[in-house]
Amino acid sequence: SQKIEQNSEALNIQEGKTATLTCNYTNYSPAYLQWYRQDPGRGPVFLLLIRENEKEKRKERLKVTFDTTLKQSLFHITASQPADSATYLCALDFYNQGGKLIFGQGTELSVKP
Amino acid sequence: EAQVTQNPRYLITVTGKKLTVTCSQNMNHEYMSWYRQDPGLGLRQIYYSMNVEVTDKGDVPEGYKVSRKEKRNFPLILESPSPNQTSLYFCASSFGQGAHEQYFGPGTRLTVT
Repeated sequence: SQKIEQNSEALNIQEGKTATLTCNYTNYSPAYLQWYRQDPGRGPVFLLLIRENEKEKRKERLKVTFDTTLKQSLFHITASQPADSATYLCALDFYNQGGKLIFGQGTELSVKP
Repeated sequence: EAQVTQNPRYLITVTGKKLTVTCSQNMNHEYMSWYRQDPGLGLRQIYYSMNVEVTDKGDVPEGYKVSRKEKRNFPLILESPSPNQTSLYFCASSFGQGAHEQYFGPGTRLTVT
């Protein structure tokens, strides 16, 4: 079955630095990969979507890369701010899963002032 | 305002007492789904629906039922709740599967004693 792995340990960085979060998957490549932000006790909020034929996507301070050879996506937040502190989830849509979205466990990011 | 609503937000119940968690969206989305979120296990899909009267099992459907009689509503039914169904539940909707962002509700925290 498909496995998705995100950094299990929390990521602590200093304000102004770039945060880099990792999402690795096994077996089949997904058709699409999405990143979500989740604050404690709240529902995930969509951030970015990248397709399998795209290498990189940007939105303001956010950048997502997708390497189907490495079976990995990287999520970058540049010039990080304390308000960026949250849990970030990657979600993959695999062709062989009937279009079902499968979520990683998430990585908790803490940005210190 | 485009949104997904869930009710109730918090529920404490006893084993075996049937309950329903309602979910409604006002975006005319075709695709709706239910997830549960547990520490260390991430978001896991319970059931999903691609349109009215079309539902299918997700990864953890045991002990749950759903129905999709109207496009906007997708209730989650626990016929005989058990303590292992204590969890945080999220409803989500999107225009379709795949390359569409999912809009999540605010969550329902369920405790079964």
